[in-house]
Amino acid sequence: EIVLTQSPATLSLSPGERATLSCRASQSINSYLAWYQQKPGQAPSLLIFDASNRATGIPARFSGSRSGTDFTLTISSLEPEDFAVYYCQQRSNWPLTFGGGTKVEIK
Amino acid sequence: QVQLVQSGAEVKKPGSSVKVSCEASGGTFSNYAISWVRQAPGQGLEWMGGIIPVFGSSSYAQKFQGRVTITADESTSTSYMELRSLRSEDTAVYYCARDLVSHSYYYFDSWGQGTLVTVSS
Repeated sequence: EIVLTQSPATLSLSPGERATLSCRASQSINSYLAWYQQKPGQAPSLLIFDASNRATGIPARFSGSRSGTDFTLTISSLEPEDFAVYYCQQRSNWPLTFGGGTKVEIK
Repeated sequence: QVQLVQSGAEVKKPGSSVKVSCEASGGTFSNYAISWVRQAPGQGLEWMGGIIPVFGSSSYAQKFQGRVTITADESTSTSYMELRSLRSEDTAVYYCARDLVSHSYYYFDSWGQGTLVTVSS
């Protein structure tokens, strides 16, 4: 089973700041990684798939990148609605697995 | 975009079973995998398994193999997830989610609202 390790667990930032979230895979998953945003009491929503492709309707301030088994989600300038928990997920190997999440909170 | 509506919250006794439904509307049902993902209170997301309705066969994470059954009824565009031999650790919100890509288990671009299953004596 592929383990995805997200860091940091919590990121404390102010609106307008840049957020950089990390997800490291335990083995190669090519670019088969997605990012989701989850707000309290809501289902997750897809942000990025295949490491760097924005899902339909996702603002350009969200971007994803890959370097080997390290993946990064960047939010260029945090909006108030971006404070949430973010999860990565791989589809390279079965079972599909998720990272443990990064909470982006208001500083 | 497809809408997924799940059945309501359940309270179950340890050792019993629960069956949660997920009805799809506004999109193509048969060609896209419906997966089931659960989230224990305050915890992360865990993929349990899924089904591609047109193929009729289900796939499960090994952790749940033998204890979960996922089915789909194409006539009503509804998927079901049954979990047996419930224990307290199964207390969680259970989500259904539709895949982004047809005939594949890739990523989840539409989600149900979630169903809270509480296992308590």
